[in-house]
Amino acid sequence: NAGVTQTPKFRVLKTGQSMTLLCAQDMNHEYMYWYRQDPGMGLRLIHYSVGEGTTAKGEVPDGYNVSRLKKQNFLLGLESAAPSQTSVYFCASSSVSGGADEQFFGPGTRLTVL
Amino acid sequence: AQSVTQLDSQVPVFEEAPVELRCNYSSSVSVYLFWYVQYPNQGLQLLLKYLSGSTLVESINGFEAEFNKSQTSFHLRKPSVHISDTAEYFCAVSVRWRLIFGTGTRLQVFP
Repeated sequence: NAGVTQTPKFRVLKTGQSMTLLCAQDMNHEYMYWYRQDPGMGLRLIHYSVGEGTTAKGEVPDGYNVSRLKKQNFLLGLESAAPSQTSVYFCASSSVSGGADEQFFGPGTRLTVL
Repeated sequence: AQSVTQLDSQVPVFEEAPVELRCNYSSSVSVYLFWYVQYPNQGLQLLLKYLSGSTLVESINGFEAEFNKSQTSFHLRKPSVHISDTAEYFCAVSVRWRLIFGTGTRLQVFP
């Protein structure tokens, strides 16, 4: 049971390049989330999904797109990377229990945009 | 709108000393409250949570937090810290299925 996994662990991009971050979970969770973590700002929700085939915007969605084609996977895309997107990205998942359940986090992806 | 405030960005403490990490929240509805811990270069892990019932909740590694509705607080305490408790601690409030996080408190334990 691997829990939540993220690939890649590190990435360096040039401004304007695109990339996709992959998140996978093996706990059969309905809900999945993408956060970014920046110093002094805690974690901020980028996008989330309440089930296969659904996505919704979080607090800071601009410049990102997501897809949830399979229940176990949640992809985060950057179409044209900007230096402001330099951050650590975390994926998380949880079951359907109205917010009382724990969110399980992946190990993170450290992205640098030059 | 719900929000979470962690007033202390850093808390330095010597090993075996007590510690309190403060968390205040604002919400117009009943909430669920959480403390998550992030060890260096890792993701977040649940430390403890308050859903209902007893206002004092405990973790397996000696931390405890008390829900105080009148003061809208959920402070985290440990009577005697260890070097291994060095980490960043995040308080969070659940809004439906979403979590709203505070900005975090970095606990640094010195020998």
